[in-house]
Amino acid sequence: NAGVTQTPKFQVLKTGQSMTLQCAQDMNHEYMSWYRQDPGMGLRLIHYSVGAGITDQGEVPNGYNVSRSTTEDFPLRLLSAAPSQTSVYFCASGRVASTDTQYFGPGTRLTVL
Amino acid sequence: SQQGEEDPQALSIQEGENATMNCSYKTSINNLQWYRQNSGRGLVHLILIRSNEREKHSGRLRVTLDTSKKSSSLLITASRAADTASYFCATVLTGGGNKLTFGTGTQLKVEL
Repeated sequence: NAGVTQTPKFQVLKTGQSMTLQCAQDMNHEYMSWYRQDPGMGLRLIHYSVGAGITDQGEVPNGYNVSRSTTEDFPLRLLSAAPSQTSVYFCASGRVASTDTQYFGPGTRLTVL
Repeated sequence: SQQGEEDPQALSIQEGENATMNCSYKTSINNLQWYRQNSGRGLVHLILIRSNEREKHSGRLRVTLDTSKKSSSLLITASRAADTASYFCATVLTGGGNKLTFGTGTQLKVEL
């Protein structure tokens, strides 16, 4: 199993550009989520999904869109990048049962100029 | 807002010593989890403790949970240089589904 994979690993954008961060998992997990990690802030939840076709907002959803058309994939779209979105982005997956472990991808380091 | 606050923010010890880090949280939880993050890497799940449990062990790790004080501690015994990493507590809130709310983390450095 590859686990949770994320692409790209690094990305530099100009203000106003759009892009999609890719996340895929091969563990047949229903639950998938996106976090951003900023220095001194820990991880904050952006969006999450409990299954294909179902998404919901987390703590910091503004400026980001998600969709979940398959169990395996959960892309994160930046509509119009801003310098405040410079961060490291992590995708995670797990089973819907709330006591279960979540598995994290290696992260995407995004810089917005 | 952050659910958890971790203490200390940074910790430096010698190899072979024990490392203790603490996590406090604000609201009722279903469970509390500890994750490790090596520099520039993703997070790795270490251990989960449910709200009705008081202590759990896994190898050199010992986690305690005091729901009356809304706090948890992670003890790493006989630390090794390879334990150098950031450690985060994360809570699953009661009625919060699968959502994890992370603390700000403790940076542990284990020196030879």
